Amino acid sequence: SYELTQPPSVSVSPGQTASITCSGDKLGDKYACWYQQKPGQSPVLVIYQDSKRPSGIPERFSGSNSGNTATLTISGTQAMDEADYYCQAWDSSIGYVFGTGTKVTVL
Amino acid sequence: EVQLVESGGGLVKPGGSLRLSCAASGFTFSSYSMNWVRQAPGKGLEWVSSISSSSSYIYYADSVKGRFTISRDNAKNSLYLQMNSLRAEDTAVYYCARQGYCSGGSCYSGGRDDAFDIWGQGTMVTVSS
Repeated sequence: SYELTQPPSVSVSPGQTASITCSGDKLGDKYACWYQQKPGQSPVLVIYQDSKRPSGIPERFSGSNSGNTATLTISGTQAMDEADYYCQAWDSSIGYVFGTGTKVTVL
Repeated sequence: EVQLVESGGGLVKPGGSLRLSCAASGFTFSSYSMNWVRQAPGKGLEWVSSISSSSSYIYYADSVKGRFTISRDNAKNSLYLQMNSLRAEDTAVYYCARQGYCSGGSCYSGGRDDAFDIWGQGTMVTVSS
């Protein structure tokens, strides 16, 4: 099987930088993407193909992927960024895999 | 407006069946691979099944293989999930999701390893006696 592991929670002060990691075997050899999900809402794609932002996603969201770790970085975090974040990748043996999820709290 | 609207959820007894539908609008449905993703109450996201644009390629998570069947009707811009032999652990919100991405004002269907860029609002499935 293939697993993607994220920290359960990340806390950040408004205006500071939040970094969320996603760890998986040779994840850097795959495309990683990231979703934001607010309570009671559907997931929203914020990063695709490791580091690209979809239309309409603020520039403060950025991504990277190398080795065994993909990272989502939120620069200048705002209160509206408080949400759950999930990474995702495709594995040829089992299909699409989501990370365990990280709750970002803006203190 | 690009939109996905799921329907068909509800309460069903263990061992029962249910058919979910997802109506697509605002984009060329027949050009995109589509997916079902579920989320149990208070839990994370779990991919369920995928179908390519022409139905040539179909994939299932091990947890639903042999019980669920994904299909699509490109003429009706619709995606389906037939769920049989339902179990309590299938209780979840079920989302349909388009596979692709939009950049620079254009949208692309992407490859098999691309992200899910458009999601529906979800439909709740509860399996309980």
